[in-house]
Amino acid sequence: DIQMTQSPSTLSASVGDRVTITCRASQTISKWLAWYQQKPGKAPKLLIYKTSNLENGVPSRFSGGGSGTGFTLTISSLQPDDFATYYCQQYHSYPQTFGQGTKVEIK
Amino acid sequence: QVQLVQSGAEVKKPGASVKVSCKTSGYTFTKYTLHWVRQAPGHSLEWMGWINTGNGTTKYLQRFQGRVTITRDTSASTVDMELSSLTSEDTAVYYCARDQRYCSATTCYSMFVFDYWGQGTLVTVSS
Repeated sequence: DIQMTQSPSTLSASVGDRVTITCRASQTISKWLAWYQQKPGKAPKLLIYKTSNLENGVPSRFSGGGSGTGFTLTISSLQPDDFATYYCQQYHSYPQTFGQGTKVEIK
Repeated sequence: QVQLVQSGAEVKKPGASVKVSCKTSGYTFTKYTLHWVRQAPGHSLEWMGWINTGNGTTKYLQRFQGRVTITRDTSASTVDMELSSLTSEDTAVYYCARDQRYCSATTCYSMFVFDYWGQGTLVTVSS
């Protein structure tokens, strides 16, 4: 199985900060990577698919990049609603696998 | 609007089975693959399996093979996931999730990206 490793595990930031989360795959996954946001007690929400495509309704302050084995999720100006846990997911190979998550908390 | 509504929380004893239901609405049920994903307390997400709601074909994560069964009822637009031989390690929130699906000019493909999710069902396994 492809292992997905996110860094950092926890990130402390303030409203208005630019934030970047990294996701690394144990082998190449081309651009088949998605990002999800999850708030406590809620289901995950799809933010980005195929590395950089924003899901409908997702604010443009979210962006994704990378290819191969290294990927990033960037929030250009952190908003109060963005404090949550973020997961990357590869869907290049069966079985699709998730990273361990990055919690973005208030500094 | 697309909605996936799951059945309520369950408490089971070790060795028992649990069935979680996912009722869908707001789209053509048979056109989208449905997946099950679980999340143990404080842990990440783990994909368990999917069902092709059109023809009923299923695929399960190997480590659940023989313990999990996913079925669908097209007349009710509902998918069920049954997990047997429960242990405390199966304590988790179980989610159903719709596959995003990509359509070219001639055909559609499951993408294995999850665009709509149920609200989650907590399954607690405890003696």
